[in-house]
Amino acid sequence: DGGITQSPKYLFRKEGQNVTLSCEQNLNHDAMYWYRQDPGQGLRLIYYSQIVNDFQKGDIAEGYSVSREKKESFPLTVTSAQKNPTAFYLCASTGLIWGGYTFGSGTRLTVV
Amino acid sequence: SQQGEEDPQALSIQEGENATMNCSYKTSINNLQWYRQNSGRGLVHLILIRSNEREKHSGRLRVTLDTSKKSSSLLITASRAADTASYFCATDGETSGSRLTFGEGTQLTVNP
Repeated sequence: DGGITQSPKYLFRKEGQNVTLSCEQNLNHDAMYWYRQDPGQGLRLIYYSQIVNDFQKGDIAEGYSVSREKKESFPLTVTSAQKNPTAFYLCASTGLIWGGYTFGSGTRLTVV
Repeated sequence: SQQGEEDPQALSIQEGENATMNCSYKTSINNLQWYRQNSGRGLVHLILIRSNEREKHSGRLRVTLDTSKKSSSLLITASRAADTASYFCATDGETSGSRLTFGEGTQLTVNP
């Protein structure tokens, strides 16, 4: 089955640590996105990539970094510079023609 | 600023009733999409309506788009308890490429 996989489902981070969230898709989609969702709120765009080896900042990129070395993979690193990282992180992808996004099941990150 | 804003924030209805959710946006769009999110899960694409379309149907879903008022509505007919979820509208602006901007969502509760 084609889809988009995020791991881990739950992640705990200590103060001052960097953590990396995984996002892998086998849909042959060109574009991939990372969103952050806080309780009871909508999604805010962190970073996106429309092609391998290229990515752009979204609306809330500070404290985050990404890479796009392979078409299938778009990992997100939450750095120690992100002061309030506790949130639900969603990865999505889309092909160039259809326009709708396919979402992963999310990673819930908690700072302990 | 948020491109899409949903109204109402929360809606509670009885099974069998219709549910209507509204979305307003600020800038010109290529298309508008509706997504559903069950608690703690990723988003699922429901329907996409292009800026030159006025109405679209998919099963029990009916979406309208009024570009003159920069607004859209999602109607779910004959609701079921399983429709309980958060519903988000998302828009891609004419200058934003494939990136979507999401509203804050409507929490729909369908009581059995």
